Amino acid sequence: RKEVEQDPGPFNVPEGATVAFNCTYSNSASQSFFWYRQDCRKEPKLLMSVYSSGNEDGRFTAQLNRASQYISLLIRDSKLSDSATYLCVVGAAGNKLTFGGGTRVLVKP
Amino acid sequence: NAGVMQNPRHLVRRRGQEARLRCSPMKGHSHVYWYRQLPEEGLKFMVYLQKENIIDESGMPKERFSAEFPKEGPSILRIQQVVRGDSAAYFCASSPRGALDEQYFGPGTRLTVT
Repeated sequence: RKEVEQDPGPFNVPEGATVAFNCTYSNSASQSFFWYRQDCRKEPKLLMSVYSSGNEDGRFTAQLNRASQYISLLIRDSKLSDSATYLCVVGAAGNKLTFGGGTRVLVKP
Repeated sequence: NAGVMQNPRHLVRRRGQEARLRCSPMKGHSHVYWYRQLPEEGLKFMVYLQKENIIDESGMPKERFSAEFPKEGPSILRIQQVVRGDSAAYFCASSPRGALDEQYFGPGTRLTVT
């Protein structure tokens, strides 16, 4: 089982719709969680950290479910510019961050 | 505050030559990470360094690849005797405090081996 698993997609989303996807992790001792965004042929960019209580940044909401060992990302009112690959990142004490394979999102007019 | 800087942005090497990729972390960051990304694939961790120390090189190929982060100057990823399979984007990232902090990425070096 991979340490961090993501549905590769693509998720085809009509502009203005809501899309949500999860990421599962295998190490129950994980304590750092992030979502990154990567555009084609560009570097990954930090989208948001994920906190135990969940957090929201504009149209983006991240949740952490420790019992089921997954984090989620929800995008409301999708824009064409939200089309990208979203990388789930997890870290555990004594270890480095582990990147998931990414979920590709395509927002269409 | 300048971000992570990498150079060159594009590098073309013939098979058998050496490639040297440089990375300057963000100001105040002492932790550096190198990743490789093949076309249409995910990021693969290569090595994690702090100043003058290799902390984790579990993702580095056993031969031809080496990395350093000297006390002064940028981190260097060195690939000797490059082969076509080394063609990829190489990203460097840095973090301020430790391995569980958020990482900030440079723009990458695209290596093409002809």
